[in-house]
Amino acid sequence: AQTVTQSQPEMSVQEAETVTLSCTYDTSESDYYLFWYKQPPSRQMILVIRQEAYKQQNATENRFSVNFQKAAKSFSLKISDSQLGDAAMYFCAWDSNYQLIWGAGTKLIIKP
Amino acid sequence: DVKVTQSSRYLVKRTGEKVFLECVQDMDHENMFWYRQDPGLGLRLIYFSYDVKMKEKGDIPEGYSVSREKKERFSLILESASTNQTSMYLCASSPTTGLRNEQYFGPGTRLTVT
Repeated sequence: AQTVTQSQPEMSVQEAETVTLSCTYDTSESDYYLFWYKQPPSRQMILVIRQEAYKQQNATENRFSVNFQKAAKSFSLKISDSQLGDAAMYFCAWDSNYQLIWGAGTKLIIKP
Repeated sequence: DVKVTQSSRYLVKRTGEKVFLECVQDMDHENMFWYRQDPGLGLRLIYFSYDVKMKEKGDIPEGYSVSREKKERFSLILESASTNQTSMYLCASSPTTGLRNEQYFGPGTRLTVT
């Protein structure tokens, strides 16, 4: 079965520091997309970053970057210079052609 | 900006009632999705639609049905609500091309069935 695993139900980080959220997935496909979504408390889910599996270069969006290890099927999210507004549930998702397969989520707490 | 709206933020219904959850998007997206979000389980796909009047079952369609009569509107129907359908329901839309584009989400409807 195709699965996405986020092994950290909750993480905390001091404001201005760096935190890495982990995600692993299982697939036999060679061409796919991976996503990190953010769901702030009581707010809408939004896309943080997207990685195309055929691209070797890791995606970066401002303070957010990924470490994509295709052979290991690992897709971690690094948040640099953490800010209070980064507090949210973070979901890793894998594109399975007709639907996204989602991880269980990691709750990120930012300590001021 | 893409806007996806859902008819209610909070809804309380009784067991056995028929429940309608409405979702509207304003960006002419072909694809629309209904998810259920439960703590520790992430998002699970209930149904999706890639065109008007078209629908496909997701992972957990039992107890639910959908309707898409117009491109911008995708409705989720609980024919006879049960307490195990108490959950957060999220609607999303995306443009076409293999469903590999960003999905845009509504604010969610927290449904409680008593």
